[in-house]
Amino acid sequence: AQSVTQPDIHITVSEGASLELRCNYSYGATPYLFWYVQSPGQGLQLLLKYFSGDTLVQGIKGFEAEFKRSQSSFNLRKPSVHWSDAAEYFCAVAANTGTASKLTFGTGTRLQVTL
Amino acid sequence: EAGVAQSPRYKIIEKRQSVAFWCNPISGHATLYWYQQILGQGPKLLIQFQNNGVVDDSQLPKDRFSAERLKGVDSTLKIQPAKLEDSAVYLCASSARTEAFFGQGTRLTVV
Repeated sequence: AQSVTQPDIHITVSEGASLELRCNYSYGATPYLFWYVQSPGQGLQLLLKYFSGDTLVQGIKGFEAEFKRSQSSFNLRKPSVHWSDAAEYFCAVAANTGTASKLTFGTGTRLQVTL
Repeated sequence: EAGVAQSPRYKIIEKRQSVAFWCNPISGHATLYWYQQILGQGPKLLIQFQNNGVVDDSQLPKDRFSAERLKGVDSTLKIQPAKLEDSAVYLCASSARTEAFFGQGTRLTVV
């Protein structure tokens, strides 16, 4: 069964600083990988996804993530954080079946942005 | 396009009472999911429908939880009787292929 580990429960960065959120997954083959963001009282919004091909994936809001098979990682990055980026971030993995498949989520990383 | 609609947004019930949540997916999305998100945790899949058939309900506590998807569109999730540990946000999601779109969720508090 697939699993996801997000080692950092809470991260605080200053506005304008760079950001990296860590995600490690466990899956027998190349999985589908996702990053979602959740603002308070809101549902989950997809930031970016990786299915195959280029291992550096660009997403919305200036986020990017890099798939590293050798490290079983899919870390999320942003070069300059804005105060509006404060939210909870979830990494998720799905079985690479070519069709809609259930997501297994990590426990999330709460991002706080200081001004 | 309209997103995934869920109602109610908030619900407070006493333990042992019953409660139902409703979800209207994005039009044309064949796959519908219900997730449970306990405070401080990531969402956990409860049940997955493909059209009006159940694909995966292995994580659904069937002694108290039930779900149905009428005519392959709207879905309801019911809890009867509720326990204190059922306090959580219940998220509905739908997908056409491999990207899931989430509703805003229903926050359930069991007291």
